[in-house]
Amino acid sequence: GAVVSQHPSRVICKSGTSVKIECRSLDFQATTMFWYRQFPKQSLMLMATSNEGSKATYEQGVEKDKFLINHASLTLSTLTVTSAHPEDSSFYICRGSSAGWLRAEAFFGQGTRLTVV
Amino acid sequence: SQQGEEDPQALSIQEGENATMNCSYKTSINNLQWYRQNSGRGLVHLILIRSNEREKHSGRLRVTLDTSKKSSSLLITASRAADTASYFCATVINAGGTSYGKLTFGQGTILTVHP
Repeated sequence: GAVVSQHPSRVICKSGTSVKIECRSLDFQATTMFWYRQFPKQSLMLMATSNEGSKATYEQGVEKDKFLINHASLTLSTLTVTSAHPEDSSFYICRGSSAGWLRAEAFFGQGTRLTVV
Repeated sequence: SQQGEEDPQALSIQEGENATMNCSYKTSINNLQWYRQNSGRGLVHLILIRSNEREKHSGRLRVTLDTSKKSSSLLITASRAADTASYFCATVINAGGTSYGKLTFGQGTILTVHP
């Protein structure tokens, strides 16, 4: 099956620094990448949707200048948490989607647990 | 914003019993999916049911969809301790356009199966 490889799986950073999370689609072209965030014991909340070659569309309440998304190729999308603060500590997970109905459902990355100290 | 609401929020059962989780949503959908997540780890896709389907089976899983009531249920039969996890429903409203495949998740049900 199709695979989205997400790195790193865990990262601890100091407050005020930036962290980059990468998602690579290994065997399909991810025309769209969705980025989700999950706080402890809560559900997944969509942060933004990015289409290759276009600017990302952010959900209401998500700061686009803080969460920079780059989707410059069909196999790589990155999320950069800039000037991270402890409240940004969360589980971040990407999901690659490709045109074609039958392939709509199963391409999540493994997730990144970010801890800001 | 959350599309789905799930109940119960937490379910505790004994091994061998059946577990039923429900999901309700607000808008018309293209399909509804169920996912499993073990203790804050990645998501495992369980099953997808399209809006024109009423029931699907996969192993010990049975999913129903009632579009008139905007609700779905996930039944796990003969549960095992290894089924302990959080279960989420997620809906897809649009199947095309730039938001193709956008999933909106419910709040989830935490299932604990005691050996």
